[in-house]
Order: sequence, then C-alpha cells, then structure tokens
Amino acid sequence: AQSVTQLGSHVSVSEGALVLLRCNYSSSVPPYLFWYVQYPNQGLQLLLKYTSAATLVKGINGFEAEFKKSETSFHLTKPSAHMSDAAEYFCAVRETGGYNKLIFGAGTRLAVHP
Amino acid sequence: GAVVSQHPSWVICKSGTSVKIECRSLDFQATTMFWYRQFPKQSLMLMATSNEGSKATYEQGVEKDKFLINHASLTLSTLTVTSAHPEDSSFYICSARDPGGAPDTEAFFGQGTRLTVV
Repeated sequence: AQSVTQLGSHVSVSEGALVLLRCNYSSSVPPYLFWYVQYPNQGLQLLLKYTSAATLVKGINGFEAEFKKSETSFHLTKPSAHMSDAAEYFCAVRETGGYNKLIFGAGTRLAVHP
Repeated sequence: GAVVSQHPSWVICKSGTSVKIECRSLDFQATTMFWYRQFPKQSLMLMATSNEGSKATYEQGVEKDKFLINHASLTLSTLTVTSAHPEDSSFYICSARDPGGAPDTEAFFGQGTRLTVV
C-alpha cells in the first residue's frame, strides 16, 4: 500500500528564511507525488507535482521540491519565506489502480513570523 | 485550468435536518469524484468515491445511510448529510480529476463547505 509521511506537524520560520517541509513516501511502484496548500476555510490548491519527467520540480509561489528515490523523499522548499506563505501544506501520493485516489499526509502547518 | 466548484461554502442547520452539498466539475466530465471530511487542524479523510451512474464506494467506518452520495451526471455529485447532528459539524471538501487527462493529471478541489449543526 502506498502512503506518505510528513515529518513535523508545525514549522515556524522567520520572514525571509528558508522553508523546508518534509515528506517521505512509501510505494512499490514509481509514484505520482503532489504538494497542495490550504488556506483557512478553503479547498486545496496544487503547488507542484512529480511525474518522473524531472527530479527537481518547480511550482507556484516560488516553491520547489526534489524527488529523491534513494531517500524516498519529496521535500518541499522555498528559499525565502513570505508572510503570505503561512498555511497548511499537504503531501499526497496517488494510489495506483482502482480509482487513483489521493492518499494524504497528516499535513504541516507553516507559520511565518516577522 | 480545470475547476471544481462546491456549493454552499458554509451552511448552518438545525439538528435533525438534512443538508445537501453540491460539487460540480466546470470544464471537464468527471466520472469519479471524491468526498473528504476534514476536522479542525487535521488532514483530509476520504469518505467516499462517487461514481457516475452507479453506487458510491464508501471508506470503512463511513455510514452510507448517513452520508448519501448521488452522482447523477458527469459534472455533478452531491453529498447529503441526513439527520444531521452536532458531531457532523465539519469541513467537507470534494475533488475531481479529468479522467481524459494524462496519468499525471492532478486532482482539483472544491472550495469546501463548512457545516455547522446546531
């Protein structure tokens, strides 16, 4: 069975500092991996996705993620945090076969302080 | 890009009444839609997979008689919370993915519905 684990339910950074949100996956087949962001009382918005075309994936709002098969990781980074980045971030893996549903990690709440 | 629209964005209802939430795919036909429930400060919990023209597939522990799902057309799925109780208060989110897209096509999410049962 496929799964994702997000290490750290809360991450706090200063404005301008590096953002690193961790995600490790478990999959017996090459995975489709996604990072979504959720602002309060809203649905989820796609930040970026890994589809095996490139290991370093660039997304919206300056975020990027690197797929590392040897570490089974897909960590999300941003060089310089903005106050507007404060939100909940979810890593997800698509289930292969069946309905191809998404399996979500527990989420990481990012706080950005001045 | 593809958009999924969910309505209403928030609803308050009295205990014992039923509430219907709609999820529409606006520019693609979704044979499958997903319904999630999200408790405060928690991740999304998949409730059921809605299949156009057939019965929904419910996740273990989700009461199918409590949460009625209807997917009568390729662009509309509805979730009805029947005989709502305060413990049903939650944030409900739907999602859909264009089945005609490439394998790496992402799922799109509705705006969510905040249900409060009083």
